[in-house]
Amino acid sequence: EAGVAQSPRYKIIEKRQSVAFWCNPISGHATLYWYQQILGQGPKLLIQFQNNGVVDDSQLPKDRFSAERLKGVDSTLKIQPAKLEDSAVYLCASSLGRGLGSFQETQYFGPGTRLLVL
Amino acid sequence: AQTVTQSQPEMSVQEAETVTLSCTYDTSESDYYLFWYKQPPSRQMILVIRQEAYKQQNATENRFSVNFQKAAKSFSLKISDSQLGDAAMYFCAYRSPPRTGANSKLTFGKGITLSVRP
Repeated sequence: EAGVAQSPRYKIIEKRQSVAFWCNPISGHATLYWYQQILGQGPKLLIQFQNNGVVDDSQLPKDRFSAERLKGVDSTLKIQPAKLEDSAVYLCASSLGRGLGSFQETQYFGPGTRLLVL
Repeated sequence: AQTVTQSQPEMSVQEAETVTLSCTYDTSESDYYLFWYKQPPSRQMILVIRQEAYKQQNATENRFSVNFQKAAKSFSLKISDSQLGDAAMYFCAYRSPPRTGANSKLTFGKGITLSVRP
């Protein structure tokens, strides 16, 4: 079974530029998560999708970050414009998403995209 | 709000020895899940072990076991017969069931870097 795929693996941009990350979850997984992991910290949830609907985006800086999952499969996360403090690893994860019991499910993580903003 | 604390930033263990990684958490919930995730350098995060709060028996997965102390809100990971491949960052994480109007987030600690000496 293929795991969670992410691209690109690395990205270097200058501040105020735009960047987009792509994620392909495990086939059949309804729930998709984007996390931000700043160096020396644990991942922080940015946004959670259930199929193509947003479940939680309370920690997404909506003035500069956006995310979509139009067909309920792949997802993109965009930053526009980027700031120095956005330098981090962006992790995508997915889980089966079986209704109310989904909080018990294992989340499977992708390899992440390492972003450096200069 | 739930918090997860990993107070030891780094630990080192001799190959074949046993090491215990500490984690404490704060919650007012009675039903929740606790997880330990492993993140090797430049590789994706994988689930090591999980514990359901209503189960008194400590979870075990091969060389990995936990000491779950619900009253003390403590969740430590014991790695027996340490191997070179165990070297990684280890994250403790907490997740409670969803409530009306509130999403169930996976909350991570800051992580601990484990090195294994040959």
